[in-house]
Amino acid sequence: SAVISQKPSRDICQRGTSLTIQCQVDSQVTMMFWYRQQPGQSLTLIATANQGSEATYESGFVIDKFPISRPNLTFSTLTVSNMSPEDSSIYLCSADRGLGYGYTFGSGTRLTVV
Amino acid sequence: DQQVKQNSPSLSVQEGRISILNCDYTNSMFDYFLWYKKYPAEGPTFLISISSIKDKNEDGRFTVFLNKSAKHLSLHIVPSQPGDSAVYFCAASVASGGSNYKLTFGKGTLLTVNP
Repeated sequence: SAVISQKPSRDICQRGTSLTIQCQVDSQVTMMFWYRQQPGQSLTLIATANQGSEATYESGFVIDKFPISRPNLTFSTLTVSNMSPEDSSIYLCSADRGLGYGYTFGSGTRLTVV
Repeated sequence: DQQVKQNSPSLSVQEGRISILNCDYTNSMFDYFLWYKKYPAEGPTFLISISSIKDKNEDGRFTVFLNKSAKHLSLHIVPSQPGDSAVYFCAASVASGGSNYKLTFGKGTLLTVNP
Protein backbone atom coordinates (compact mmCIF):
# COMPACT_ATOMS: atom_id res chain seq x y z
CA SER A 1 0.00 0.00 0.00
CA ALA A 2 1.15 3.54 -0.69
CA VAL A 3 2.85 5.39 2.12
CA ILE A 4 1.64 8.76 0.81
CA SER A 5 -1.82 8.62 -0.69
CA GLN A 6 -2.82 11.45 -2.95
CA LYS A 7 -6.16 12.01 -4.60
CA PRO A 8 -7.57 12.59 -7.07
CA SER A 9 -5.01 11.04 -9.38
CA ARG A 10 -6.27 13.12 -12.25
CA ASP A 11 -9.01 15.57 -13.09
CA ILE A 12 -10.25 17.71 -15.93
CA CYS A 13 -11.70 20.99 -14.71
CA GLN A 14 -13.39 23.99 -16.19
CA ARG A 15 -11.60 27.31 -16.02
CA GLY A 16 -12.71 29.50 -13.16
CA THR A 17 -13.42 26.58 -10.86
CA SER A 18 -11.34 25.24 -7.96
CA LEU A 19 -9.94 21.81 -7.18
CA THR A 20 -8.83 20.50 -3.80
CA ILE A 21 -6.13 17.84 -3.72
CA GLN A 22 -5.77 15.65 -0.66
CA CYS A 23 -2.61 14.07 0.70
CA GLN A 24 -2.54 11.44 3.45
CA VAL A 25 0.71 10.19 5.02
CA ASP A 26 0.94 6.86 6.82
CA SER A 27 2.91 8.35 9.71
CA GLN A 28 3.12 11.64 11.52
CA VAL A 29 5.39 14.15 9.84
CA THR A 30 6.37 17.67 10.77
CA MET A 31 6.53 19.19 7.33
CA MET A 32 4.61 18.43 4.17
CA PHE A 33 5.50 19.96 0.85
CA TRP A 34 3.51 20.71 -2.27
CA TYR A 35 5.18 20.73 -5.68
CA ARG A 36 4.08 21.47 -9.20
CA GLN A 37 5.53 19.96 -12.36
CA GLN A 38 4.52 21.80 -15.49
CA PRO A 39 4.99 20.00 -18.81
CA GLY A 40 8.68 19.61 -19.63
CA GLN A 41 9.74 21.38 -16.47
CA SER A 42 11.27 20.43 -13.15
CA LEU A 43 9.40 19.98 -9.92
CA THR A 44 8.85 23.41 -8.39
CA LEU A 45 8.08 23.86 -4.71
CA ILE A 46 4.80 25.70 -4.15
CA ALA A 47 4.71 25.81 -0.36
CA THR A 48 5.70 24.12 2.86
CA ALA A 49 2.87 23.11 5.18
CA ASN A 50 3.57 22.95 8.89
CA GLN A 51 0.88 21.64 11.19
CA GLY A 52 -0.68 24.36 13.29
CA SER A 53 0.65 27.34 11.38
CA GLU A 54 0.28 29.12 8.09
CA ALA A 55 1.92 27.54 5.09
CA THR A 56 5.09 29.15 3.78
CA TYR A 57 4.87 29.99 0.07
CA GLU A 58 7.70 30.18 -2.41
CA SER A 59 8.26 33.14 -4.67
CA GLY A 60 5.63 33.27 -7.37
CA PHE A 61 2.98 31.41 -5.38
CA VAL A 62 0.34 33.06 -3.20
CA ILE A 63 -2.13 31.83 -0.65
CA ASP A 64 -5.17 33.19 -2.49
CA LYS A 65 -4.36 31.05 -5.49
CA PHE A 66 -3.09 27.96 -3.65
CA PRO A 67 -4.65 27.80 -0.17
CA ILE A 68 -3.29 24.96 1.92
CA SER A 69 -4.68 23.26 4.98
CA ARG A 70 -2.75 21.15 7.46
CA PRO A 71 -5.22 20.08 10.13
CA ASN A 72 -3.04 17.34 11.64
CA LEU A 73 0.32 15.62 11.35
CA THR A 74 -0.76 13.13 8.68
CA PHE A 75 -2.94 15.13 6.31
CA SER A 76 -2.84 18.18 4.06
CA THR A 77 -4.84 19.67 1.22
CA LEU A 78 -3.88 22.00 -1.61
CA THR A 79 -6.57 23.93 -3.44
CA VAL A 80 -5.95 25.32 -6.90
CA SER A 81 -8.34 28.28 -7.10
CA ASN A 82 -9.93 30.09 -10.00
CA MET A 83 -8.18 27.80 -12.43
CA SER A 84 -6.93 28.74 -15.86
CA PRO A 85 -5.33 26.53 -18.54
CA GLU A 86 -1.90 27.66 -17.28
CA ASP A 87 -2.59 25.72 -14.08
CA SER A 88 -2.57 22.46 -16.01
CA SER A 89 0.22 20.54 -14.31
CA ILE A 90 1.04 17.59 -12.13
CA TYR A 91 0.73 18.48 -8.46
CA LEU A 92 2.64 16.40 -5.94
CA CYS A 93 2.80 16.29 -2.18
CA SER A 94 5.78 15.02 -0.28
CA ALA A 95 7.04 14.51 3.24
CA ASP A 96 10.11 13.37 5.06
CA ARG A 97 9.04 10.19 6.82
CA GLY A 98 12.15 10.21 8.93
CA LEU A 99 13.63 7.06 7.46
CA GLY A 100 16.74 8.78 6.21
CA TYR A 101 15.79 7.96 2.68
CA GLY A 102 14.96 11.39 1.39
CA TYR A 103 11.53 12.70 0.79
CA THR A 104 8.67 10.42 -0.13
CA PHE A 105 6.26 11.63 -2.79
CA GLY A 106 2.66 10.91 -3.51
CA SER A 107 1.76 9.61 -6.92
CA GLY A 108 0.65 13.04 -8.07
CA THR A 109 -2.49 14.67 -9.39
CA ARG A 110 -2.58 15.35 -13.11
CA LEU A 111 -4.75 18.43 -13.60
CA THR A 112 -6.04 19.58 -16.94
CA VAL A 113 -7.91 22.88 -17.11
CA VAL A 114 -10.10 23.43 -20.15
CA ASP B 1 17.28 30.92 -12.98
CA GLN B 2 17.81 27.17 -13.02
CA GLN B 3 19.97 26.36 -10.00
CA VAL B 4 20.05 22.64 -10.78
CA LYS B 5 20.63 21.68 -14.38
CA GLN B 6 20.35 18.38 -16.16
CA ASN B 7 21.52 19.24 -19.64
CA SER B 8 20.68 15.91 -21.24
CA PRO B 9 16.93 15.48 -21.62
CA SER B 10 17.38 11.87 -22.67
CA LEU B 11 19.89 9.03 -22.66
CA SER B 12 19.75 5.63 -24.31
CA VAL B 13 22.00 2.72 -23.33
CA GLN B 14 22.20 -1.01 -23.92
CA GLU B 15 21.29 -3.47 -21.22
CA GLY B 16 24.36 -4.46 -19.20
CA ARG B 17 26.28 -1.30 -20.01
CA ILE B 18 26.87 1.69 -17.75
CA SER B 19 24.43 4.59 -17.61
CA ILE B 20 25.86 7.94 -16.56
CA LEU B 21 23.47 10.74 -15.73
CA ASN B 22 24.88 14.18 -15.11
CA CYS B 23 23.78 17.14 -13.04
CA ASP B 24 25.26 20.60 -12.50
CA TYR B 25 24.36 23.16 -9.88
CA THR B 26 25.08 26.83 -9.42
CA ASN B 27 24.26 27.49 -5.77
CA SER B 28 27.40 26.92 -3.69
CA MET B 29 25.25 26.73 -0.55
CA PHE B 30 23.81 23.37 -1.60
CA ASP B 31 25.24 20.68 0.64
CA TYR B 32 22.97 17.70 0.12
CA PHE B 33 22.15 16.08 -3.17
CA LEU B 34 19.63 13.43 -4.11
CA TRP B 35 18.61 11.42 -7.12
CA TYR B 36 15.03 10.40 -7.75
CA LYS B 37 13.56 8.02 -10.28
CA LYS B 38 10.11 8.55 -11.73
CA TYR B 39 7.95 6.19 -13.71
CA PRO B 40 4.94 7.49 -15.66
CA ALA B 41 1.85 8.11 -13.51
CA GLU B 42 3.85 7.68 -10.33
CA GLY B 43 5.51 10.08 -7.94
CA PRO B 44 9.30 10.36 -7.79
CA THR B 45 11.01 7.62 -5.78
CA PHE B 46 14.12 8.36 -3.78
CA LEU B 47 17.15 6.53 -5.16
CA ILE B 48 20.36 7.67 -3.53
CA SER B 49 21.83 10.75 -1.88
CA ILE B 50 25.18 12.26 -1.02
CA SER B 51 26.32 14.84 1.46
CA SER B 52 28.86 17.47 0.47
CA ILE B 53 31.36 16.03 2.92
CA LYS B 54 31.68 13.00 0.66
CA ASP B 55 32.66 12.60 -2.96
CA LYS B 56 31.12 9.19 -3.54
CA ASN B 57 28.23 7.12 -2.29
CA GLU B 58 27.39 3.66 -3.46
CA ASP B 59 24.28 1.53 -3.11
CA GLY B 60 24.23 -1.65 -5.10
CA ARG B 61 24.22 -0.86 -8.80
CA PHE B 62 23.92 2.87 -8.13
CA THR B 63 26.82 5.19 -7.38
CA VAL B 64 26.69 8.95 -7.05
CA PHE B 65 29.83 11.03 -7.48
CA LEU B 66 30.15 14.61 -6.31
CA ASN B 67 32.72 17.10 -7.55
CA LYS B 68 32.21 20.19 -5.43
CA SER B 69 34.83 22.31 -7.15
CA ALA B 70 33.07 21.76 -10.46
CA LYS B 71 29.60 21.89 -8.90
CA HIS B 72 28.84 18.66 -10.67
CA LEU B 73 27.42 15.33 -9.69
CA SER B 74 26.72 12.20 -11.62
CA LEU B 75 24.76 9.01 -11.15
CA HIS B 76 26.24 5.78 -12.45
CA ILE B 77 24.12 2.71 -12.95
CA VAL B 78 26.06 -0.50 -13.53
CA PRO B 79 24.91 -2.75 -15.05
CA SER B 80 21.90 -1.04 -16.57
CA GLN B 81 18.67 -3.03 -16.75
CA PRO B 82 15.50 -2.44 -18.79
CA GLY B 83 13.61 -1.81 -15.53
CA ASP B 84 15.84 1.20 -14.96
CA SER B 85 14.10 2.99 -17.82
CA ALA B 86 12.54 6.06 -16.20
CA VAL B 87 13.01 9.78 -15.74
CA TYR B 88 15.82 10.58 -13.30
CA PHE B 89 15.74 13.82 -11.35
CA CYS B 90 18.67 15.40 -9.62
CA ALA B 91 17.80 17.48 -6.56
CA ALA B 92 19.77 19.65 -4.17
CA SER B 93 19.21 21.32 -0.83
CA VAL B 94 20.79 23.39 1.88
CA ALA B 95 21.10 21.95 5.41
CA SER B 96 21.97 18.32 4.88
CA GLY B 97 19.92 15.66 6.58
CA GLY B 98 17.46 17.89 8.33
CA SER B 99 13.80 17.12 7.95
CA ASN B 100 12.90 20.66 6.97
CA TYR B 101 15.09 21.11 3.95
CA LYS B 102 13.64 22.27 0.65
CA LEU B 103 14.57 20.51 -2.55
CA THR B 104 15.47 22.20 -5.81
CA PHE B 105 15.05 19.89 -8.76
CA GLY B 106 16.53 19.64 -12.22
CA LYS B 107 14.30 19.04 -15.25
CA GLY B 108 15.10 15.36 -15.40
CA THR B 109 16.74 12.96 -17.83
CA LEU B 110 14.76 10.22 -19.54
CA LEU B 111 16.84 7.04 -19.44
CA THR B 112 15.97 4.25 -21.83
CA VAL B 113 17.72 0.92 -21.38
CA ASN B 114 17.38 -1.24 -24.47
CA PRO B 115 17.32 -5.05 -24.14
